[in-house]
Amino acid sequence: EPEVTQTPSHQVTQMGQEVILRCVPISNHLYFYWYRQILGQKVEFLVSFYNNEISEKSEIFDDQFSVERPDGSNFTLKIRSTKLEDSAMYFCASIDRANTEAFFGQGTRLTVV
Amino acid sequence: AQSVTQLGSHVSVSEGALVLLRCNYSSSVPPYLFWYVQYPNQGLQLLLKYTSAATLVKGINGFEAEFKKSETSFHLTKPSAHMSDAAEYFCAVLSNIGNEKLTFGTGTRLTIIP
Repeated sequence: EPEVTQTPSHQVTQMGQEVILRCVPISNHLYFYWYRQILGQKVEFLVSFYNNEISEKSEIFDDQFSVERPDGSNFTLKIRSTKLEDSAMYFCASIDRANTEAFFGQGTRLTVV
Repeated sequence: AQSVTQLGSHVSVSEGALVLLRCNYSSSVPPYLFWYVQYPNQGLQLLLKYTSAATLVKGINGFEAEFKKSETSFHLTKPSAHMSDAAEYFCAVLSNIGNEKLTFGTGTRLTIIP
């Protein structure tokens, strides 16, 4: 079965530092997403990405966030200057619209100290 | 715009009893609907999905859900709960046009009483 892979599984960073969360979506999918889940809370949409550009972003996705698909396989989320409230599980997803399959990675748990 | 409402943030059922987790959606176009399960400290696993074929959808682990357009509902059921079903369950909606995002409900934590 195809899968979305995310690295690292857990990252601890100091407040103010930059982090890059990495995702390898399923190769023939065209739509990619980042979601965030603060511990014990709902899964929140951050950003969607299609055709090498952002197609939609939430109000959470402010100037400290950016996404990139640098090499046609990886899909990265960069947080420029982390804050304590950025501590959460970050999920990458890739969607195959033709078959309506939405696959999620296992997530990266980001802890900002 | 699309949204999902999950009634009951916590549901407790006895082992062997019926599981019913409620989900109502709002969508301006016919939606695709999903149920995901999340075990502690793990990712999101797809349980089942509705994509405008059969209204009664069967998923993994004995779960099923019925799409009812008249009630804008997509409730998740399982006839007999098992201890291993204890988890967080999320209903989600995806528009079937364009590049709409997958929108999640707030989740329902299912506890199984031995």
